[in-house]
Amino acid sequence: AQKITQTQPGMFVQEKEAVTLDCTYDTSDQSYGLFWYKQPSSGEMIFLIYQGSYDEQNATEGRYSLNFQKARKSANLVISASQLGDSAMYFCAMREREYGNKLVFGAGTILRVKS
Amino acid sequence: DGGITQSPKYLFRKEGQNVTLSCEQNLNHDAMYWYRQDPGQGLRLIYYSQIVNDFQKGDIAEGYSVSREKKESFPLTVTSAQKNPTAFYLCASSPGGGITRETQYFGPGTRLLVL
Repeated sequence: AQKITQTQPGMFVQEKEAVTLDCTYDTSDQSYGLFWYKQPSSGEMIFLIYQGSYDEQNATEGRYSLNFQKARKSANLVISASQLGDSAMYFCAMREREYGNKLVFGAGTILRVKS
Repeated sequence: DGGITQSPKYLFRKEGQNVTLSCEQNLNHDAMYWYRQDPGQGLRLIYYSQIVNDFQKGDIAEGYSVSREKKESFPLTVTSAQKNPTAFYLCASSPGGGITRETQYFGPGTRLLVL
């Protein structure tokens, strides 16, 4: 079974608008972490934001925030005030305490920001 | 500047040839990782190392080998046993310790093509 599911292969958003990228996950571990990475066309993976399973508050980093719904096992990334430079592939990933340092990635969502 | 370097940026492999991808980090991280990315897909873990002189197989280790003789270096060899090596290869590192909050940081990647 897929551990990380990103159901949106591609998304469009108008510049300056907000956009939500979906991520659902599957784990029986009580202690886990969720990560979002951005991959521009250059290929490098850029870390954006982290949410721990025990964190009570939703994570925020500048224009990025995470809508964490633990009971639904979802960790959606919200990008506010989209910019043209936000056009990239976005990956959701999970680390489970049971599996140490291993990260499991979803298939990704391509985001295109329109001017 | 601290970071992760990968070389070469592009690599061409002939049939039956072994090739080695370089990964160096100056972040003083204990843990290092190799991932493979196929077009339109997420990252899959090939090998990882949590400490010098020790490494473990990831999900798709067949046809690959690694060594970890120095803390800063984690080279990946793609052997002739890997029948479909064309992919984008990403190296990552993290501080080590295995806590769920620990973030992996990535290099710029190497694109491997078969002639």
